[in-house]
Amino acid sequence: DQQVKQNSPSLSVQEGRISILNCDYTNSMFDYFLWYKKYPAEGPTFLISISSIKDKNEDGRFTVFLNKSAKHLSLHIVPSQPGDSAVYFCAEETSGSRLTFGEGTQLTVNP
Amino acid sequence: DTGVSQNPRHKITKRGQNVTFRCDPISEHNRLYWYRQTLGQGPEFLTYFQNEAQLEKSRLLSDRFSAERPKGSFSTLEIQRTEQGDSAMYLCASSDRGTNYGYTFGSGTRLTVV
Repeated sequence: DQQVKQNSPSLSVQEGRISILNCDYTNSMFDYFLWYKKYPAEGPTFLISISSIKDKNEDGRFTVFLNKSAKHLSLHIVPSQPGDSAVYFCAEETSGSRLTFGEGTQLTVNP
Repeated sequence: DTGVSQNPRHKITKRGQNVTFRCDPISEHNRLYWYRQTLGQGPEFLTYFQNEAQLEKSRLLSDRFSAERPKGSFSTLEIQRTEQGDSAMYLCASSDRGTNYGYTFGSGTRLTVV
């Protein structure tokens, strides 16, 4: 049973605008949520995480928001750049050692 | 150190054959993870080592799969009697801190079973 869902398989935005990537989860028992970015022919790269005791975490152009009542998190990228074009995965820490990933969203940033 | 290294990058094998993949983690990382990714899906957890001890295994890791990490350094993942459903990207990751700090993934080994 899928615990983490990314319902948008793709997203296209213009350079300089905001990209918003969404993720829903079902199990609220766990402590951390993470976002990874993946370029073709490479492994996923860790971007940013958020603790379940927070509702926002920011790192440069990347901000993750957590809405616990809605069991929803989102990743905002501002401003978007063409180099941000990649597949983005959200993940939930479902034990002390494992991550459960969503299906991914392909972001395309157009120049 | 150039990151997590996985070999081979690609492997094509006939159904029923055995295959073995190798992962060399970042040298100071004591935690090592194996994940599998199929087309259109996110990575799925297979197993986790802390040093040489295999501490957690997914139910995805059937009895045809075995992973080892002798001496707590490199790790191998073996699949016996491969099936077409085993075709996937096999990803290795390592870390020296908790999961919430993120892992460093390798580029993966793509397995195709024909």
